[in-house]
Amino acid sequence: EAGVAQSPRYKIIEKRQSVAFWCNPISGHATLYWYQQILGQGPKLLIQFQNNGVVDDSQLPKDRFSAERLKGVDSTLKIQPAKLEDSAVYLCASSLKGTAYEKLFFGSGTQLSVL
Amino acid sequence: LAKTTQPISMDSYEGQEVNITCSHNNIATNDYITWYQQFPSQGPRFIIQGYKTKVTNEVASLFIPADRKSSTLSLPRVSLSDTAVYYCLVEGYSTLTFGKGTMLLVSP
Repeated sequence: EAGVAQSPRYKIIEKRQSVAFWCNPISGHATLYWYQQILGQGPKLLIQFQNNGVVDDSQLPKDRFSAERLKGVDSTLKIQPAKLEDSAVYLCASSLKGTAYEKLFFGSGTQLSVL
Repeated sequence: LAKTTQPISMDSYEGQEVNITCSHNNIATNDYITWYQQFPSQGPRFIIQGYKTKVTNEVASLFIPADRKSSTLSLPRVSLSDTAVYYCLVEGYSTLTFGKGTMLLVSP
């Protein structure tokens, strides 16, 4: 079974530039998550989609971050403009139904460095 | 959300049994305890989940006392490849919240 695919693997940009990350969840998984993981910390949820609708985006900095999940499958996360503190690994995860206690499957992430 | 406390780091040697304890004093009735493992440059991976007493799978065992205010992840006979960060999470009806985890270093 193919896992969660993310690209690019690494990205280096200068502050104030924009960047986009792509995620392809496990086939058939209704729920998709974007997490931000700063070095030395655990992942922090940015946004959760159920099919193509947003369930939780309470921790998404909406002035600069945006995300979409068209057709309820692939998703993109965009940062515009980037700040130095956005340097982190951006992890995408998916789960089958998004119900409580369900196992999450994570991709390997995109490591972003903002200079 | 129930807050969890676990050691920042632990050291072990190959072949030893490792027990990582997590404290969650204000766990709610509907909360489950879940552990994830994260290797460098990878996303977290589900290890085990339980509600009470003992759960065992091919990777680990999870011990939960009757009061459920703590839990212990047990890794039997660790190898170098078990070096990773281990996260203890308490989840109910809200989305998973990760703490800083425990960095386990296994040496030869």
